[in-house]
Amino acid sequence: GAVVSQHPSWVICKSGTSVKIECRSLDFQATTMFWYRQFPKQSLMLMATSNEGSKATYEQGVEKDKFLINHASLTLSTLTVTSAHPEDSSFYICSAIQGHNSPLHFGNGTRLTVT
Amino acid sequence: AQSVAQPEDQVNVAEGNPLTVKCTYSVSGNPYLFWYVQYPNRGLQFLLKYITGDNLVKGSYGFEAEFNKSQTSFHLKKPSALVSDSALYFCAVRDMGDSSYKLIFGSGTRLLVRP
Repeated sequence: GAVVSQHPSWVICKSGTSVKIECRSLDFQATTMFWYRQFPKQSLMLMATSNEGSKATYEQGVEKDKFLINHASLTLSTLTVTSAHPEDSSFYICSAIQGHNSPLHFGNGTRLTVT
Repeated sequence: AQSVAQPEDQVNVAEGNPLTVKCTYSVSGNPYLFWYVQYPNRGLQFLLKYITGDNLVKGSYGFEAEFNKSQTSFHLKKPSALVSDSALYFCAVRDMGDSSYKLIFGSGTRLLVRP
């Protein structure tokens, strides 16, 4: 149980275009989802907390207009990288929580390459 | 503020030998502690967690971790390492009183098990 599906697993796009990444909790309802970014050989950086039905809470230094997060339902959150630039190339990972005492369950990540 | 320290970038161990991956944490309240493993180009897989109760926690794939409140540590251990255990390991902490459910990760430790 507690499966999180993230799509696409990899994407290549041209500079200036936008890319949408989907994160779904397949067998549980997730009132809260998190979006992380991971640079090569580095830890996960929390970008934002996504709550169903409300605006996302962004971490300091994360541009909310560049990284649009929508949590439209209890099983779906999306991250849209707008006007992507090569420096946005990274590994993006979503996660969802089932309950207060539960661990985070992670998607398999999306490798974004902006050319 | 919450923080996690993983002092070793890499741990090398021979197959069949015991392994330890170190983790220390800092939270203002009581901690929830977690260990995750990451294989290349994948998301994180949950290994084990400490909430309350016994200080020795057993998890997936034969891993265990010991919570030490006085030393604020939560080291990951396994009695006999396998080559397939080679991966990136992350320790994470959540403040029990934090209603945002945010999980803060350490910098990660690469485990290399040689045959």
